[in-house]
Amino acid sequence: QVQLQESGPGLVKPSETLSLTCIVSGGSISGYYWNWIRQPAGKGLEWIGRIYSNGSPNYNPSLKSRVTMSVDTSENHFSLRLTSLTAADTAVYYCSRGSSTWYHSPDIWGQGTMVTVSS
Amino acid sequence: DIVMTQSPLSLPVTPGEPASISCRSSESLVHNNGYNYVDWYLQKPGQSPQLLMYLGSTRASGVPDRFSGSGSGTDFTLKISRVEAEDVGIYYCMQALQIPWTFGQGTKVEIK
Repeated sequence: QVQLQESGPGLVKPSETLSLTCIVSGGSISGYYWNWIRQPAGKGLEWIGRIYSNGSPNYNPSLKSRVTMSVDTSENHFSLRLTSLTAADTAVYYCSRGSSTWYHSPDIWGQGTMVTVSS
Repeated sequence: DIVMTQSPLSLPVTPGEPASISCRSSESLVHNNGYNYVDWYLQKPGQSPQLLMYLGSTRASGVPDRFSGSGSGTDFTLKISRVEAEDVGIYYCMQALQIPWTFGQGTKVEIK
């Protein structure tokens, strides 16, 4: 059974860069899309983007200038890098797998990791 | 971006009774292949979201058949035929026709 686990710093200073990793266990990272989605406390969901296992990304245009996603098939994990952080980036960050069918809906999610941007 | 608007935002329900959530999009979500690129998710309290429905009306693996999805174009509905206590949480619709994928504001379902 595929499981996802996010890891990264809980606290990041404004203007700095956030780096998160999602470790995929119980299955291969190859052949799937992998998403990052975030949720500010008490608010709704925002799709940050996704990356295919071959490294091809799709980013939310609102974040595109600050986002980089990467995938490491040898280590079976994928990563998110978000630069120039502000308080508005404070949120729970989820990684998820895109399903194998149709438009690859996020069908398996990690538990989420809370990221606070504060000095 | 395509705007997804859900109603109601809060839905008190009685166990055993039906429930319905509406989702409207600012643009048609019909793909060239004729299918609607709409998902429904449920985020139970303290948990990550889980996929309930894709293509507007196809239940994801393991989703009970008391959940059903319908609609086409810009109007979509998620129905629960008989609400159970475990169905409480926040329901989100999401469009996957255009990048960026966008979600509705969420509908909080709680037991009366």
